[in-house]
Amino acid sequence: EIVLTQSPGTLSLSPGESATLSCRASQIIVSNYFAWYQQKPGQAPRLLIYGASSRATGIPDRFSGSGSGTDFTLTITRLEPEDFAVYYCQQYGRSLWTFGQGTKVEIK
Amino acid sequence: QVTLKESGPVLVKPTETLTLTCTVSGFSLSDKRLGVSWIRQAPGAALQWLAHIFSNDDKSYNPSLRGRLTISKDTSKSQVVLTMTNMDPVDTATYFCARAEQWMMEYYGMDVWGQGTTVTVSS
Repeated sequence: EIVLTQSPGTLSLSPGESATLSCRASQIIVSNYFAWYQQKPGQAPRLLIYGASSRATGIPDRFSGSGSGTDFTLTITRLEPEDFAVYYCQQYGRSLWTFGQGTKVEIK
Repeated sequence: QVTLKESGPVLVKPTETLTLTCTVSGFSLSDKRLGVSWIRQAPGAALQWLAHIFSNDDKSYNPSLRGRLTISKDTSKSQVVLTMTNMDPVDTATYFCARAEQWMMEYYGMDVWGQGTTVTVSS
């Protein structure tokens, strides 16, 4: 089973700043099968990025994904108030899915 | 409009079997590009993928819970059902169903989620 480790656990930033979230896999992942999600309190997760770098429908371009192999990054430029949330990475491989433990982006 | 909606008991007793239903609309469970997963989230915890059913009726389960989970679908009713046996208080969580799109060698993520249903396991 592939384990995804996200860092940092919590990121304290101010609106307008940029956020860099990391996700490291225990094995090499096919980039096509990597995604990022945003979750706000009391809500279901929302798909942000699929295929490591493709934005889902309706996702603003301040969200971008990159990476390959075992290291993937979600970058949020110019944080808006609605961006403060928990972010999860996810991988799919051999018909199994796993999520990272999440990174909370909080207002400083 | 694509929607998924979870339903099931709010409270189950330890050792009982949980049955959850995900009713979908706006797409067909026979669409070869689409499948449905169940994911849960214990209070204050991360997301945990549980099971997935593909359009061709293939099934996949989280290895850590294999043996307790069964996923099935009724395409005519647009429903996906998850059963989890031998429930324990640690299984207390919000359970989500989500649509996943994949085609050939591409995976497009879990693009539509239900609102989730909260299940408490207690005697």
